[in-house]
Amino acid sequence: AAGVIQSPRHLIKEKRETATLKCYPIPRHDTVYWYQQGPGQDPQFLISFYEKMQSDKGSIPDRFSAQQFSDYHSELNMSSLELGDSALYFCASSSRDLSTDTQYFGPGTRLTVL
Amino acid sequence: AQSVTQPDIHITVSEGASLELRCNYSYGATPYLFWYVQSPGQGLQLLLKYFSGDTLVQGIKGFEAEFKRSQSSFNLRKPSVHWSDAAEYFCAVGARQGGKLIFGQGTELSVKP
Repeated sequence: AAGVIQSPRHLIKEKRETATLKCYPIPRHDTVYWYQQGPGQDPQFLISFYEKMQSDKGSIPDRFSAQQFSDYHSELNMSSLELGDSALYFCASSSRDLSTDTQYFGPGTRLTVL
Repeated sequence: AQSVTQPDIHITVSEGASLELRCNYSYGATPYLFWYVQSPGQGLQLLLKYFSGDTLVQGIKGFEAEFKRSQSSFNLRKPSVHWSDAAEYFCAVGARQGGKLIFGQGTELSVKP
């Protein structure tokens, strides 16, 4: 079965640079979520989109922005990167129409800020 | 406030022994409950979920979990652990209709030969 695709899988950036993470949800899934998992931490919710509209917002820094496009893929844009942004970034998708309300996670993008 | 507590940070069991990982939650509405497993450096794989109905739910890899509303618990169990079960296990709670997940701190499982 198709899964959530995230790219790139690994990303190394310098402080103050920008990064763009991409997420391709499972086909027919209309909701995308972004989570951040720091080293040894549990995943923390950042932001979610339903049908291309922001549906919920968590502890996402103002330096970060995200959007969901017409093909339902999503991008997380991160600017003025800081050392503390080094983490594993997960995208998950779900479908309200299928009434599963179950989030399926991608493999994650490991961001390292030097 | 909504929260999930996994009291055990690290558990070690012998291969073939039974396993129970604890999860307690605090949630104002009817919770949707999940257990995910994460191998080192990997993504989160769904083990099982509870939405409603039978309080004992079966998942993949021989895992099961029991929802106990009176105790606000959703403990994960497996009758016989395999070495390949060594991983980090996360309990999570969410609302229906696209709500965010709130995760517990995770329990790291080690399996002795």
